Amino acid sequence: SQTIHQWPATLVQPVGSPLSLECTVEGTSNPNLYWYRQAAGRGLQLLFYSVGIGQISSEVPQNLSASRPQDRQFILSSKKLLLSDSGFYLCAWSSGPLGSPLHFGNGTRLTVT
Amino acid sequence: AQTVTQSQPEMSVQEAETVTLSCTYDTSESDYYLFWYKQPPSRQMILVIRQEAYKQQNATENRFSVNFQKAAKSFSLKISDSQLGDAAMYFCACSGSARQLTFGSGTQLTVLP
Repeated sequence: SQTIHQWPATLVQPVGSPLSLECTVEGTSNPNLYWYRQAAGRGLQLLFYSVGIGQISSEVPQNLSASRPQDRQFILSSKKLLLSDSGFYLCAWSSGPLGSPLHFGNGTRLTVT
Repeated sequence: AQTVTQSQPEMSVQEAETVTLSCTYDTSESDYYLFWYKQPPSRQMILVIRQEAYKQQNATENRFSVNFQKAAKSFSLKISDSQLGDAAMYFCACSGSARQLTFGSGTQLTVLP
């Protein structure tokens, strides 16, 4: 069966520090991969998605970037964190065909101080 | 592109009773899919139910069912025989040809014992 791992679960970082959140998927190949951000008490905002290695689409101009160095690995990064980057970050995968549901990781709670 | 609106920030239901969560959406696509996700306090996003827009029959999953009104662009979730474990934030979502999910702002459901 397929599983998705996302780490770390919690992260506290000072303003101006770099960020690297990692997500890996097991049990499937060539998944679509997604990074979402959820502000406190709000819905999910799509940040990046990828349909293949090295293929990244950005939905929202921001201080963050994403990379997909391997088929089942998706990384969210920042060179210098801002206070506004605080939030709950969720990685997800889907099998690709139209209408495929997204399967989410457990999320990372990021607090920028 | 799609938009999804959940007009009920909070709802409550007595245990064993039935509750309906509302969702409206807008899309320019003819082929799309609708979803309900549940986010309990653990913040894990759990797929509850999925509906293909081309199907007139409403989807059901055990105690969960939807009322899909395509012309009205309405997609409500009915939870029957509510249980304490149903307490969570519920998100309505829509996906189309871009294989991305657009989420509503969520409805926080409280189940009263």
